[in-house]
Amino acid sequence: GESVGLHLPTLSVQEGDNSIINCAYSNSASDYFIWYKQESGKGPQFIIDIRSNMDKRQGQRVTVLLNKTVKHLSLQIAATQPGDSAVYFCAENQAGTALIFGKGTTLSVSS
Amino acid sequence: DGGITQSPKYLFRKEGQNVTLSCEQNLNHDAMYWYRQDPGQGLRLIYYSQIVNDFQKGDIAEGYSVSREKKESFPLTVTSAQKNPTAFYLCASSAGRDQPQHFGDGTRLSIL
Repeated sequence: GESVGLHLPTLSVQEGDNSIINCAYSNSASDYFIWYKQESGKGPQFIIDIRSNMDKRQGQRVTVLLNKTVKHLSLQIAATQPGDSAVYFCAENQAGTALIFGKGTTLSVSS
Repeated sequence: DGGITQSPKYLFRKEGQNVTLSCEQNLNHDAMYWYRQDPGQGLRLIYYSQIVNDFQKGDIAEGYSVSREKKESFPLTVTSAQKNPTAFYLCASSAGRDQPQHFGDGTRLSIL
């Protein structure tokens, strides 16, 4: 079936480095994508979204890139901080349904 | 502050018992959702509602029931038919299909 996945379950970086978290999706009909951050014991927190008519969108310290040709989504975090340590999920919205979530990447930031 | 409130934060269920998880939002969102999260896993959709008095089954609706009598409220009942109910339950709402879903802080359900 269709699913959203992530390339790596864990990512470890040093404070100050840039982080890149990747996500592959399989449904070419998906037209809306979201990145969430989830800290332990809490609900997912919205980071940034992108629609399929865009290739790139920037927020504060974060950038999302969408490559529809290879069905790939990435989240870039600039100058990663210890407070960025969390599980990051990508999600896609296919026509007429709720979000489909990937399994998540755990980002660990060391000082 | 606007947001989504889930209660209780922790809940214990006895064998054969139905339990109800509360979800309230004051964001004036039309759509509301229930997800289940198991350890180390992503979120799986249980039920969703796009408008009052209407709801749809998600991928894992068996053993669960919902109601949507008010725009602000979308309670989830975990019935005794759900044989493996231990999980983290998350409620979300959104203004529309192509709008971000905003989540509550979840209810952790365990079996006694």
